[in-house]
Amino acid sequence: DIQLTQSPSFLSASVGDRVTIACRASQGISSYLAWYQQKPGKAPRLLIYAASTLQSGVPSRFSGSGSGTEFTLTISSLQPEDFATYYCQQLNSYPLTFGGGTKVEIK
Amino acid sequence: QVQLQESGPGLVKPSQTLSLTCTVSGGSISSGDYYWSWIRQPPGKGLEWIGYIFYSGSTYYNPSLKSRVTISLDTSKNQFSLKLSSVTAADTAVYYCARGSLRRDGMDVWGQGTTVTVSS
Repeated sequence: DIQLTQSPSFLSASVGDRVTIACRASQGISSYLAWYQQKPGKAPRLLIYAASTLQSGVPSRFSGSGSGTEFTLTISSLQPEDFATYYCQQLNSYPLTFGGGTKVEIK
Repeated sequence: QVQLQESGPGLVKPSQTLSLTCTVSGGSISSGDYYWSWIRQPPGKGLEWIGYIFYSGSTYYNPSLKSRVTISLDTSKNQFSLKLSSVTAADTAVYYCARGSLRRDGMDVWGQGTTVTVSS
């Protein structure tokens, strides 16, 4: 199985901050990586797929980059509604796997 | 737009079989562009992909659960289902159904999730 390691696991930030979350794969996954946002009691929401393609309806302050084994999710200016947990997921091979999550909280 | 809705018992006894159904509305489960997955999330923990089914009936299960999992399809009802046998407390989780693209673009539509507790 491909392991995904997210860092940090917890992040404290203020509204307006630029935030970067990393996701490292245990082996190369090309660009088959997605990012999700999950708020308490809610299902995950797809933000980015193919490492850098913004899902329809997702604000442009979200961006993704990377390929191979190293990926990042960036929020250019954190908004109050962005406080949530973020997960990466690899779709290169089965079984599909998720990172452990990064919780973004208000400083 | 396509919506998914999970249904099934919220409480299952240890050693019994967990059974859930996902009803697809606003689109056909027989679309060849998508696969249909189950994912779960234990309380306070991360996401675990359980497996998928394609409209043809072909499946793939997470090896960690393969011996206990069956995912099936009912195209006449536009539903797909999950059965997980011999459950223990470790199977207590929120269970989600989701749609995934064959282009490997991620899972773009999710159900709201249903909580299943394994307890006697």
